[in-house]
Amino acid sequence: AQTVTQSQPEMSVQEAETVTLSCTYDTSESNYYLFWYKQPPSRQMILVIRQEAYKQQNATENRFSVNFQKAAKSFSLKISDSQLGDTAMYFCAFMTVQGAQKLVFGQGTRLTINP
Amino acid sequence: ETGVTQSPTHLIKTRGQQVTLRCSSQSGHNTVSWYQQALGQGPQFIFQYYREEENGRGNFPPRFSGLQFPNYSSELNVNALELDDSALYLCASSLGGLAYEQYFGPGTRLTVT
Repeated sequence: AQTVTQSQPEMSVQEAETVTLSCTYDTSESNYYLFWYKQPPSRQMILVIRQEAYKQQNATENRFSVNFQKAAKSFSLKISDSQLGDTAMYFCAFMTVQGAQKLVFGQGTRLTINP
Repeated sequence: ETGVTQSPTHLIKTRGQQVTLRCSSQSGHNTVSWYQQALGQGPQFIFQYYREEENGRGNFPPRFSGLQFPNYSSELNVNALELDDSALYLCASSLGGLAYEQYFGPGTRLTVT
């Protein structure tokens, strides 16, 4: 069974700073997807960034980038120039390519951006 | 393009009752997945429907059941409600074969007293 672990329950940084959220996962699969989702107080889960395991290049979306270390099964999210609107719960998630394509989520990290 | 919608927004039920939650998928999507998110936890996969057939199920008892209609909207039914069923229920729609692009609805908050 796949598991996803986020070891930082809460983080807090000042606006404009850079912050890195950690995630590790466990799987025996060789082909899979990894995701970071953002869940603001409105509760709607919003996709931040996606990484395909077969791609060596780290995904980037504007201020958001990942550090994907496949051998270490590590998938961290870096937020540059953090903004007040980045305040939310952040969930790391895993999905296999085979079978039912279900998302397996970590416990989440509560990120607060302070003015 | 219409996003994923869920109804109702909030619901309060008594232990032992039954509940039905509804989800309308994003236009063009034929796959719906349901997740349960307990307070302070990450979402957990309940089941997935693809073209009206169940396409995978998580570790939930049979009293959690679902349905997908020809227009690809979906229902989640929970019988014999227990206090631990109190949670946020999220549905996500996707296009079969591209399920890595799952779009979530705003969720239904269920409280069981």
